[in-house]
Amino acid sequence: GAVVSQHPSWVICKSGTSVKIECRSLDFQATTMFWYRQFPKQSLMLMATSNEGSKATYEQGVEKDKFLINHASLTLSTLTVTSAHPEDSSFYICSARDLLDSRNYGYTFGSGTRLTVV
Amino acid sequence: GENVEQHPSTLSVQEGDSAVIKCTYSDSASNYFPWYKQELGKRPQLIIDIRSNVGEKKDQRIAVTLNKTAKHFSLHITETQPEDSAVYFCAASRALTGGGNKLTFGTGTQLKVEL
Repeated sequence: GAVVSQHPSWVICKSGTSVKIECRSLDFQATTMFWYRQFPKQSLMLMATSNEGSKATYEQGVEKDKFLINHASLTLSTLTVTSAHPEDSSFYICSARDLLDSRNYGYTFGSGTRLTVV
Repeated sequence: GENVEQHPSTLSVQEGDSAVIKCTYSDSASNYFPWYKQELGKRPQLIIDIRSNVGEKKDQRIAVTLNKTAKHFSLHITETQPEDSAVYFCAASRALTGGGNKLTFGTGTQLKVEL
């Protein structure tokens, strides 16, 4: 089945630095990648939707200059948290759709990245 | 945009009892409704889903019902076991009508199955 590899699984960084999170679709072409953020004991909140080769669409309230998304190929999308602050500490998880996977309409999740900003 | 509400936020049942989690959605164009189980620090795992042209679907101890008119859907777990303890999320999407359609998640239900 479809697999999305997400790295790193966890990262600790100092306040003010930037962190890059990668998601790769291993056996399918991810035309669209969704990026979610999940705070402790809360739901998954969509941050942005990225399409290969075009600018990402950000949800209301998400700062596009702070959360940089690049989707330069059909198998790789990255999220860069710039100038991270403690309030950015969260669980970030990507999801891609394999439109050829009819089993679950193709929504495949990465394993998530636990970001801690100190 | 889509808004998905989920109840209850916590649910405690005795092993062997049934558990029911309910969700409502706002976008009448939503046509795909998955349910996910998420363990702490892990990715959501799909446990069952239903399309808008179906009213009910069952997979062993798990079933989902959909009422399109009322815009609500429910997850039913029978014969609960301790390993069913986790957070459950419902979600809604216009998945069937476009590749770029996002999943909107409910607020989650912490299910605890007690011995």
